[in-house]
Amino acid sequence: AQSVTQLGSHVSVSEGALVLLRCNYSSSVPPYLFWYVQYPNQGLQLLLKYTSAATLVKGINGFEAEFKKSETSFHLTKPSAHMSDAAEYFCAVSSGTASKLTFGTGTRLQVTL
Amino acid sequence: GAVVSQHPSWVICKSGTSVKIECRSLDFQATTMFWYRQFPKQSLMLMATSNEGSKATYEQGVEKDKFLINHASLTLSTLTVTSAHPEDSSFYICSPGLGGGTGGKMRGTEAFFGQGTRLTVV
Repeated sequence: AQSVTQLGSHVSVSEGALVLLRCNYSSSVPPYLFWYVQYPNQGLQLLLKYTSAATLVKGINGFEAEFKKSETSFHLTKPSAHMSDAAEYFCAVSSGTASKLTFGTGTRLQVTL
Repeated sequence: GAVVSQHPSWVICKSGTSVKIECRSLDFQATTMFWYRQFPKQSLMLMATSNEGSKATYEQGVEKDKFLINHASLTLSTLTVTSAHPEDSSFYICSPGLGGGTGGKMRGTEAFFGQGTRLTVV
């Protein structure tokens, strides 16, 4: 069994400020972890993924995430927020079963001037 | 990465009619296709898993007679919402399972999605 918890359904930051979106997971096997971004009325775009290689994963658009097994966390960060980062972000976990994913409830990121 | 084409991107239909959504894997063969549903302001929930040449498996609470899934070939899976009602209005997204078939990638290392279909039933 696997699950994902995203703390904070809504996060608001100022442009240029640090972005931190939290994700904790539960998995009975070594997990594969993903972060996706979704813009309104669009599909999902993969930001980054953890697949048991380096624990610090760098993705697109300046995002990165660190896998911490001891904390069962995979938080998403970006040093400096941009207006274009405003979107819905989903953390997801896979146990490796042919890419079937379990998603978190999502975090809406708002970026203000 | 894998290219997945989902059609239509949006559809409006009358209550009681049926709507077919197609999902095509353009550059690989997918023996499995995952169908997700996303209600407004909610996360994606797996509805069913289609398997090429065999019956689909449905998640608990999803009516198999209402959501007909066909996976007749390794590059095409379809989801038909039969006798649609306003409560079926949602965003439907497909994602191929990449653990099997030729051209597939290692299980669990990636997940690609179609563009999604916004269904509105009036």
